[in-house]
Amino acid sequence: DAMVIQNPRYQVTQFGKPVTLSCSQTLNHNVMYWYQQKSSQAPKLLFHYYDKDFNNEADTPDNFQSRRPNTSFCFLDIRSPGLGDAAMYLCATRETDRGVRQPQHFGDGTRLSIL
Amino acid sequence: GEDVEQSLFLSVREGDSSVINCTYTDSSSTYLYWYKQEPGAGLQLLTYIFSNMDMKQDQRLTVLLNKKDKHLSLRIADTQTGDSAIYFCAESPDNYGQNFVFGPGTRLSVLP
Repeated sequence: DAMVIQNPRYQVTQFGKPVTLSCSQTLNHNVMYWYQQKSSQAPKLLFHYYDKDFNNEADTPDNFQSRRPNTSFCFLDIRSPGLGDAAMYLCATRETDRGVRQPQHFGDGTRLSIL
Repeated sequence: GEDVEQSLFLSVREGDSSVINCTYTDSSSTYLYWYKQEPGAGLQLLTYIFSNMDMKQDQRLTVLLNKKDKHLSLRIADTQTGDSAIYFCAESPDNYGQNFVFGPGTRLSVLP
């Protein structure tokens, strides 16, 4: 019954080797978010899509890119991962078009390790 | 800018009540949320409250909002070992903004 699904749960990549994390949703929500969460810290917003409109946070490194080919899927691409990019990556969705603001719904995350 | 603060740690004995506190700075916040995160998992929405309410109860959870002091609390009655987790307070700063502001999280430890 998972509504926000992140694959894989664990990803290992080599320093500098591009990696893609994926997120899909069955909720048909119009907004999708990517967060980075390091140990014992709050999630840090990287970017979000409002429908097809991409919104980047000012301090998100250029190394991080995102794609949203359709409502259901969103991808996080890390072009040249560094050791500092090892973290949990969380995807979330939210519906904002019904006139009532809904909470964000999170997936279980992908834990990324860099060798 | 907006800021959300929480105490970082709380320990309680099993069966006692837990109270996790949160303060926020943005007076335009209209929605405030509590999320629970267990080790290695994503954030699970526990409950949320509109700023025109001062209390919301949902089974063992009670949320109190003091809008004047910008203070939010989450009370967990009859705390169980399964409640051990990190609890994040979050605010939604304005009516149409898409972003949440999260607090640093409170790690709740439940002792047998």
